[in-house]
Amino acid sequence: SQQGEEDPQALSIQEGENATMNCSYKTSINNLQWYRQNSGRGLVHLILIRSNEREKHSGRLRVTLDTSKKSSSLLITASRAADTASYFCATYNNNDMRFGAGTRLTVKP
Amino acid sequence: SQTIHQWPATLVQPVGSPLSLECTVEGTSNPNLYWYRQAAGRGLQLLFYSVGIGQISSEVPQNLSASRPQDRQFILSSKKLLLSDSGFYLCTGGRSYEQYFGPGTRLTVT
Repeated sequence: SQQGEEDPQALSIQEGENATMNCSYKTSINNLQWYRQNSGRGLVHLILIRSNEREKHSGRLRVTLDTSKKSSSLLITASRAADTASYFCATYNNNDMRFGAGTRLTVKP
Repeated sequence: SQTIHQWPATLVQPVGSPLSLECTVEGTSNPNLYWYRQAAGRGLQLLFYSVGIGQISSEVPQNLSASRPQDRQFILSSKKLLLSDSGFYLCTGGRSYEQYFGPGTRLTVT
């Protein structure tokens, strides 16, 4: 079955605010990845966090991973209108990769 | 490097017509392959995945089917399309955590 589940399903914020999206999963993983998809286009890889890591940063992105709770969060700081997109988490385990259904983020200028 | 080809890029089909979308992989052998669908304004939904030739797992019941006649070929089909089949279809695959993505097919059923 589909592995990751993101929440919220939709998030609307003002430019400059922070956006936090969460992902929960069910089985053990080797790593977890976050992707962005602009409307009608392909997925773009944002960041990967390994199962032995707890936090990772990339520019305005901050990802945390709690393997005991089987959950991850993606924080986008100082959001911009260009951050408007759908965000997906994907879990990877033993050559098998599964995506969640995504969070639709809207950043209002 | 791996590349996933997917065609056609866009497709408009009448209700009740058949469908065949093809996905092929370059640069790797024995990849895991996946078909996803994204309905308008919604997230990705896993439809089928395959770990090898002739091995297909279906995630949701529907009027679609998938086949993997060759190691690097993954086909999504339907005998009779429904209006609800409209959406963006994405093929992904890979053999490691570096998953690769096809460009997608936008299907409109009229």
